[in-house]
Amino acid sequence: KQEVTQIPAALSVPEGENLVLNCSFTDSAIYNLQWFRQDPGKGLTSLLLIQSSQREQTSGRLNASLDKSSGRSTLYIAASQPGDSATYLCAVSHPGAGSYQLTFGKGTKLSVIP
Amino acid sequence: GAVVSQHPSWVICKSGTSVKIECRSLDFQATTMFWYRQFPKQSLMLMATSNEGSKATYEQGVEKDKFLINHASLTLSTLTVTSAHPEDSSFYICSARVGGAGEQYFGPGTRLTVT
Repeated sequence: KQEVTQIPAALSVPEGENLVLNCSFTDSAIYNLQWFRQDPGKGLTSLLLIQSSQREQTSGRLNASLDKSSGRSTLYIAASQPGDSATYLCAVSHPGAGSYQLTFGKGTKLSVIP
Repeated sequence: GAVVSQHPSWVICKSGTSVKIECRSLDFQATTMFWYRQFPKQSLMLMATSNEGSKATYEQGVEKDKFLINHASLTLSTLTVTSAHPEDSSFYICSARVGGAGEQYFGPGTRLTVT
């Protein structure tokens, strides 16, 4: 059974700092990996999607890497801003009972202090 | 593009009643839709996978007779919570996908409170 772990569970940084969020998964047979952002009481916003054949993806101040063989991904946020405060979820796509499905980690709650 | 809507965004109902939540793909046809549940401070847990025109596949521990899923068209899936109880109070999120293993697009979620 695929399991996704995110460390740390919570992180507080001063504005302007660079930071790294970690995600690990137990089964390397994945199709892709996604990073999402979730604001309190809201749905998910997709940030980056990395196919299993890729090593990294970049979007603006965000950079996500994937090391499939070791079951790890990192999300790097450069020059953090208070607006980045949210919960960040990592999810891997893998074969499931009904179809390819996503398994989520519990998330990292990020607080960027002005 | 790739917008998914949910209706209602929030609902309060009394214990014992049934509630229907709709999930629509607005600008694409979704061959597969997924329903997730998220309890406070927890991550998303997949409840079921539904393919248009066929019965949903439920994850272990999810009661199919309690959570009825209908995926009658390529743009609409519904989740009906039957005989709701306070422990069913949660945030329900749907997603939709084109093709067998592509990206899932998520709806904004529905907050269900059962009193």
